[in-house]
Amino acid sequence: GAGVSQSPRYKVAKRGQDVALRCDPISGHVSLFWYQQALGQGPEFLTYFQNEAQLDKSGLPSDRFFAERPEGSVSTLKIQRTQQEDSAVYLCASSSDPIGADNQPQHFGDGTRLSIL
Amino acid sequence: RKEVEQDPGPFNVPEGATVAFNCTYSNSASQSFFWYRQDCRKEPKLLMSVYSSGNEDGRFTAQLNRASQYISLLIRDSKLSDSATYLCVVMNKNRGGSNYKLTFGKGTLLTVNP
Repeated sequence: GAGVSQSPRYKVAKRGQDVALRCDPISGHVSLFWYQQALGQGPEFLTYFQNEAQLDKSGLPSDRFFAERPEGSVSTLKIQRTQQEDSAVYLCASSSDPIGADNQPQHFGDGTRLSIL
Repeated sequence: RKEVEQDPGPFNVPEGATVAFNCTYSNSASQSFFWYRQDCRKEPKLLMSVYSSGNEDGRFTAQLNRASQYISLLIRDSKLSDSATYLCVVMNKNRGGSNYKLTFGKGTLLTVNP
């Protein structure tokens, strides 16, 4: 379909391993967001891209978390030396953000459910 | 204090009941407000935006009180299919004015029973 696509849908890793999560936003969407959702909580902001520029990474919990969007479309969230507290659902969202528009909705992908053993 | 706080729930109601969700936010400069719905193990989906004048979409009515920093969602004649977690969401735009990050409440679980 034409929605936000994330892969893998599920990821199990051992503590200390590195993981990479992929997000394909809706075609043409300028803005891309990553959120982390722990069990029983609402999603929490991690980082924001406008095209290829990472304009805000204030929500990344540590320097083990790294995100990129080199060509302004697909984005990858990488977590190095994973810890058990990294277990969560990682959600990607995109929006069209045309100039002058207001309240443009963010469209979410299904998320990647990450479990660290 | 969390930036967005919601009724903790859960709410269990019979079909046909009216249910109200309340939410407060702490940042008086917040500019946009939404209710999202999230089904179990699925992604959040926009239910409706919330405007100062109040807005209605079928059985759903949203209200915003900027002075009190309070947002509400009313569901009338609830259906089994309304069972989900309802997330109160606030957006604060950056200096450039473009779309920016969403801040979510913890969510309130609603179960509508037959």
